[in-house]
Amino acid sequence: GAVVSQHPSRVICKSGTSVKIECRSLDFQATTMFWYRQFPKKSLMLMATSNEGSKATYEQGVEKDKFLINHASLTLSTLTVTSAHPEDSSFYICSAAGWTQETQYFGPGTRLLVL
Amino acid sequence: DAKTTQPTSMDCAEGRAANLPCNHSTISGNEYVYWYRQIHSQGPQYIIHGLKNNETNEMASLIITEDRKSSTLILPHATLRDTAVYYCIVPNTGNQFYFGTGTSLTVIP
Repeated sequence: GAVVSQHPSRVICKSGTSVKIECRSLDFQATTMFWYRQFPKKSLMLMATSNEGSKATYEQGVEKDKFLINHASLTLSTLTVTSAHPEDSSFYICSAAGWTQETQYFGPGTRLLVL
Repeated sequence: DAKTTQPTSMDCAEGRAANLPCNHSTISGNEYVYWYRQIHSQGPQYIIHGLKNNETNEMASLIITEDRKSSTLILPHATLRDTAVYYCIVPNTGNQFYFGTGTSLTVIP
């Protein structure tokens, strides 16, 4: 149990375009989902916290207009990178937590390359 | 900011126990300690978590000191597939995880 999926697993896009990444909890209801990004040889960095039906809370330094987060259901959250630039190239990882909000379960990650 | 500190790297011989320490000296009474590991280019995998008592599951054991200021993750019989970066995390009140640098464990044949 406690499986989280992400789609796509990798994506290449042109600079200036938008990319949407989906995060799904497959076998539990996720009241809270989190989005992270990870640069090469670095640790995960929390970008935002998303509660179902509410606006996401962004970490300091993360542009909410650039990284649009939607958590419309208890099993799906999406991250849209708008007007992507090469510096947005990174490994984006989501996690989900259920009703008890104890353990976070992580997705496999999405590798974004912006050309 | 991360509430934990861990050694940057460790080696362990295959078949031996791997003991990974973590300091969390500012932990408060109701905060859990979580352990995850990340194999290259994958999402972090949940290992174990605990509050006060020692915990054991099919993957590992977690030993928490009585004062709760440190803990040790024990992989009883390390295999090559246990080579990964291990993260010790104490969430904040909103259950946010702020990752530290973790410990890069290399299991040596």
